[in-house]
Amino acid sequence: DIQMTQSPSSLSASVGDRVTITCRASQSISNNLNWYQQKSGKAPKLLIYAASSLQSGVPSRFSGSGSGTDFTLTISSLQPEDFGTFYCQQSYSSPWTFGQGTKVEIK
Amino acid sequence: QVQLVESGGGLVKPGGSLRLSCAASGITFSDYYMSWVRQAPGRGLQWVSHISSSGTTIYYADSVKGRFTISRDNAKNSLYLQMNSLRAEDTAVYYCARVGLTTYYYDSSPAPYYYYYMDVWGKGTTVTVSS
Repeated sequence: DIQMTQSPSSLSASVGDRVTITCRASQSISNNLNWYQQKSGKAPKLLIYAASSLQSGVPSRFSGSGSGTDFTLTISSLQPEDFGTFYCQQSYSSPWTFGQGTKVEIK
Repeated sequence: QVQLVESGGGLVKPGGSLRLSCAASGITFSDYYMSWVRQAPGRGLQWVSHISSSGTTIYYADSVKGRFTISRDNAKNSLYLQMNSLRAEDTAVYYCARVGLTTYYYDSSPAPYYYYYMDVWGKGTTVTVSS
């Protein structure tokens, strides 16, 4: 199985800050990498698919990059509503796997 | 309006069985792969299973293989998860999700490249396995 490792596990940042979350795959997954945001008690929401494609309706301050084993989710200017836990997920091969999550708090 | 609504969760004893359902509306259900994803209390997301649009291709996580069965009824716009031999570690919120697909054509390859992602999610149904 492909292991997905995210860093950091949590972070606290101020409104307006640039935030970067990284995700590393245990083997190459090309760009079959998706990012989700989940708020407490709610279902996850797709933000980015295919490593860098922005899902419809998602603000353009979210962006994704990377290929192979190393990927990044960037929030260019953190907004109050951007709190929650962010997960990466590979769909390169089954079983699909998620990273352990990165919890983002607003200072 | 696209909507997925899960049902069938509840409290069950270890070794028991439960059948989850997911009713889809606002989509052409038969066009899409579908998935189940679960989240244990205080834990991260875990993909459980997915099924192709026709139901002929199915994958499971190792932790549920042989105990869980995914199925679908396209005439009823419904997805199911039959869970047998339940264990305490199966306690979780179970989400139904639509699998979106985007096809890219690259100059470097004559064949299309497919990207899968879970783009529509239900609100989840809670399964508790406890004596």
